[in-house]
Order: sequence, then C-alpha cells, then structure tokens
Amino acid sequence: KQEVTQIPAALSVPEGENLVLNCSFTDSAIYNLQWFRQDPGKGLTSLLLIQSSQREQTSGRLNASLDKSSGRSTLYIAASQPGDSATYLCAVAQGGKLIFGQGTELSVKP
Amino acid sequence: DAGVIQSPRHEVTEMGQEVTLRCKPISGHNSLFWYRQTMMRGLELLIYFNNNVPIDDSGMPEDRFSAKMPNASFSTLKIQPSEPRDSAVYFCASSLQGTLSSYNEQFFGPGTRLTVL
Repeated sequence: KQEVTQIPAALSVPEGENLVLNCSFTDSAIYNLQWFRQDPGKGLTSLLLIQSSQREQTSGRLNASLDKSSGRSTLYIAASQPGDSATYLCAVAQGGKLIFGQGTELSVKP
Repeated sequence: DAGVIQSPRHEVTEMGQEVTLRCKPISGHNSLFWYRQTMMRGLELLIYFNNNVPIDDSGMPEDRFSAKMPNASFSTLKIQPSEPRDSAVYFCASSLQGTLSSYNEQFFGPGTRLTVL
C-alpha cells in the first residue's frame, strides 16, 4: 500500500530564506507527483506536476524534483516571502488516483 | 473558466439528518473526485468517477455515504443519516484524463465545511 510522508510537519523561517520541503513515498510505481498549496480555510491550488519520466519542474521561485528510484521529491522555494505561508501537500498518482501526504505547514516571518 | 464549483460552502446540521453536497466540475473534464479532509486523517479519497461511471469507491467509509454523477457537469455526495464524526471539509476535484494509463493534473474546488451536531 502506497504511503506518502512529508517532513517536517511544520517549518518557520525568516523572510528571504531559501527552503526545502521533503516528500517520500514507499512505492515507486507512480504516474506522476503533484505539489499543492493550501491556505487556511481554502481549497488546494496545484503548484507543480512532475511526470514519472521527468526529474524536475520549475515555476517562478519554485522548483520541484523527483527521484523515483529512491522514492523522494523535494520542493525548493527561493527567497521566501510572507505570502508563501501556507500548508504544502505532495501527492503521488497511482491507480488513477492521488495519495496525499499529511502536509508541511510553512510560516514565513517578516 | 469558473473552476470547480461546490455548494454549499458551509453546512451545519443535526445528527440523523440527510446531507447533500454538490459539485460542478470544470467543463470538459472527464474525471471527478470526492475527498474528505480532517485533522486526524488528512486528505482522503472517497470515490472517483471517470466519464460519469464510479471507478473506485473503496474510500467511502460506510453505507451511509453515497455518490452519484448523473451527467458530466454535476455530482452529489450524500450522507444519510449524518453523524458527528462525519464533520470535515469535503472537497471535489476534476481532471482531464486521456486513457486508463495516463493521469493529469487535478483541480480542486473550495470545499464544503460540514458540521454535524
């Protein structure tokens, strides 16, 4: 059974820092991996999707990498801003559906 | 595009009452997903449809829960009778999927916050 783990569960950094969020999964037979952002009381916003054949995807200050063989993905946020404060979730696609991690709650202090 | 639309946004009801949650997927998307999010269990898939047909309902917690998709632009999730432990945020998502072996990006609605007293 696929299990997705995100470390750390919570992270607090000062504005301007570069940071890395981690995601690991137990079964490497995935179609893709997706990173989402969730603001308090809101739905999920898709940030990046990495197909299983890809190694990384970039969007603005965000860069996501995927290493299927080791079952790991990282989300790199450059020059963090207070507006980046949110919960970040990773999810792997398998069997036509997404399996989510528990998320990392990020707080960026001004 | 208006995105995935869910209604109501908030629902407060008493134990034993029937609850119906509604979802309109993004036009042209052929797959629809219902999720439940709680602090204890995180985000869980309840059921998903492909071309209006239920594909996997293994996440539906028990017979009190049922979901339908009568057409490509509408789906409902019904709880009857509701219980306090059903209190959660329920999300609907949709995606465009080409074949059974392909998978595309999911887009989420804003969710329905359900409170069962």
